[in-house]
Amino acid sequence: DAKTTQPPSMDCAEGRAANLPCNHSTISGNEYVYWYRQIHSQGPQYIIHGLKNNETNEMASLIITEDRKSSTLILPHATLRDTAVYYCIVRGGGQGGKLIFGQGTELSVKP
Amino acid sequence: EAQVTQNPRYLITVTGKKLTVTCSQNMNHEYMSWYRQDPGLGLRQIYYSMNVEVTDKGDVPEGYKVSRKEKRNFPLILESPSPNQTSLYFCASSPLLWGKSSPLHFGNGTRLTVT
Repeated sequence: DAKTTQPPSMDCAEGRAANLPCNHSTISGNEYVYWYRQIHSQGPQYIIHGLKNNETNEMASLIITEDRKSSTLILPHATLRDTAVYYCIVRGGGQGGKLIFGQGTELSVKP
Repeated sequence: EAQVTQNPRYLITVTGKKLTVTCSQNMNHEYMSWYRQDPGLGLRQIYYSMNVEVTDKGDVPEGYKVSRKEKRNFPLILESPSPNQTSLYFCASSPLLWGKSSPLHFGNGTRLTVT
């Protein structure tokens, strides 16, 4: 099961783009990259996922490098409500049982 | 409303007294799993289940049991709780789509304190 590495913390100014990196150098060909966030002690919330193409939804964009060994989550216009812990994980397509979350990145959005 | 429901939200118990934390989902998901979260350690997987009667160990299964007799329920059982199992617990579920992938849906958490 692939493991991910993220910086423990990052700051971002309100209104600016927040770019959160994730390294997953041991990712397998059928594993997807997922991003979740957790606000305080609530249940983690799904943000976005992708296999190899870049993805965008109403919450964020996901940029995956061509070799798939790393990715970046982009929150285009960060707000104070985006302050949270962000987790990057990899999960196999349809068969992903064992999941490794790691410690995530604590993003602080400052006014 | 599609959701994962955990009960109870808060539980204080004493060492050695058996307890069960329930998890139920109403989305007909095949996959369910349990996590514990401790300060500085992120989310760690305890057990997971790919379908009814199919369960497997995650990273930290010691001291826990699970069962999956029905598709919607996946209880977490602590036969003899100890203080080091004091933690915040999350249950999650997702469909299993062969050849594709789908996100996990998490419950709201159960904060367990063992004295």
